[in-house]
Amino acid sequence: AQRVTQPEKLLSVFKGAPVELKCNYSYSGSPELFWYVQYSRQRLQLLLRHISRESIKGFTADLNKGETSFHLKKPFAQEEDSAMYYCALMENAGNMLTFGGGTRLMVKP
Amino acid sequence: EPEVTQTPSHQVTQMGQEVILRCVPISNHLYFYWYRQILGQKVEFLVSFYNNEISEKSEIFDDQFSVERPDGSNFTLKIRSTKLEDSAMYFCASSASVGALSGNTIYFGEGSWLTVV
Repeated sequence: AQRVTQPEKLLSVFKGAPVELKCNYSYSGSPELFWYVQYSRQRLQLLLRHISRESIKGFTADLNKGETSFHLKKPFAQEEDSAMYYCALMENAGNMLTFGGGTRLMVKP
Repeated sequence: EPEVTQTPSHQVTQMGQEVILRCVPISNHLYFYWYRQILGQKVEFLVSFYNNEISEKSEIFDDQFSVERPDGSNFTLKIRSTKLEDSAMYFCASSASVGALSGNTIYFGEGSWLTVV
């Protein structure tokens, strides 16, 4: 069965500092990985997905199959980046998301 | 931008009572989902629904749970006899297609917070 692990429940950085939110997964096949973000009192929103290889709001994530990781990175954190971040996995042919436990990012001024 | 909407935003119910959570998926979407998040825990998949039937369900989705699309717009989750451990945030979601490689995006509602007392 697939599993997604986010080892940090809370990550606190100062504005302008680099950010890396860790995500590791276990899955026997070739998964699709996502990052969802939840700002205060808002819904879960898709931030980015592995397959599109894009940068959204300055965030990037690279799938490392050797390390089974999909860490989320941003070179310079902004206060508005403060939110809950969830890493999620989907089987290629499926429609079920398996979520990690989430990491709360706090960006201090 | 179209959104998934959920009602109620918060419901308190007594143990043993039936609860219906309602969702209006995005209008041109064909796939519908329920997820839940117990306080302090992971977001967990409950069920997916397509073409008026359940396409996938987790082990959490036992006989106490049911889903229905009673009309062309609503998608409901019913918990027949609530237990204390059913207290959670319930998220409805929808998508236009299935499978990750199709560029499928699952859109979530804001959630319904259920408290069982």
